[in-house]
Amino acid sequence: EVQLVDSGGGLVQPGGSLRLSCAASGFTFSTYWMSWVRQAPGKGLEWVANIKQDESEKYYVDSVKGRFTISRDNAKNSLYLQMNNLRAEDTAVYYCARAAVWGRSFDYWGQGTLVTVSS
Amino acid sequence: QTVVTQEPSFSVSPGGTVTLTCGLSSGSVSTSYYPSWYQQTPGQAPRTLIYSTNTRSSGVPDRFSGSILGNKAALTITGAQADDESDYYCVLYMGGGISVFGGGTKLTVL
Repeated sequence: EVQLVDSGGGLVQPGGSLRLSCAASGFTFSTYWMSWVRQAPGKGLEWVANIKQDESEKYYVDSVKGRFTISRDNAKNSLYLQMNNLRAEDTAVYYCARAAVWGRSFDYWGQGTLVTVSS
Repeated sequence: QTVVTQEPSFSVSPGGTVTLTCGLSSGSVSTSYYPSWYQQTPGQAPRTLIYSTNTRSSGVPDRFSGSILGNKAALTITGAQADDESDYYCVLYMGGGISVFGGGTKLTVL
């Protein structure tokens, strides 16, 4: 059974940093693109970042470029999102998702982890 | 910047059929955008329904189907049930590694 477990969320001050993690199991992690998707309180879903199997390609939504870094450790079956210089508008539930069709859609989702940016 | 458009809300009667659409603020949606659809109830993670226009995700009943209708992607639900009442999101792949979600459609079954 495919499982994605998100963790690392919490309360952080504006300008601060946070690192999210996603532990994957039930599939061969190293053979899939992976993604992060977020949802601000009461708002819709927003794609944040994608990463290829070997980390040779990484893509970001414009609003996080230069501040967020997606990475993975295939030996540990884990996906990460390093978030720096956080802003109030980054407040959201962050979902890890397994990407399908070469990163063009998502097929399995984590339960999400809440990031709150506030002073 | 291209915006992905969805109906903000829709209602359907139990047992009825409803078609939700996913368009572009400029241009037409084709299979090259790899449209996909997701269902989300409050407080829960999204659930994948359809990917690559019309491929149902594992375990999704065949009441849910995807297609291209005119210049939009479409999600059709036949025989609507009470637990289909959810938010539905589409995603379009814009190329260059970028995907964009629509704003979502709140479906009411009544």
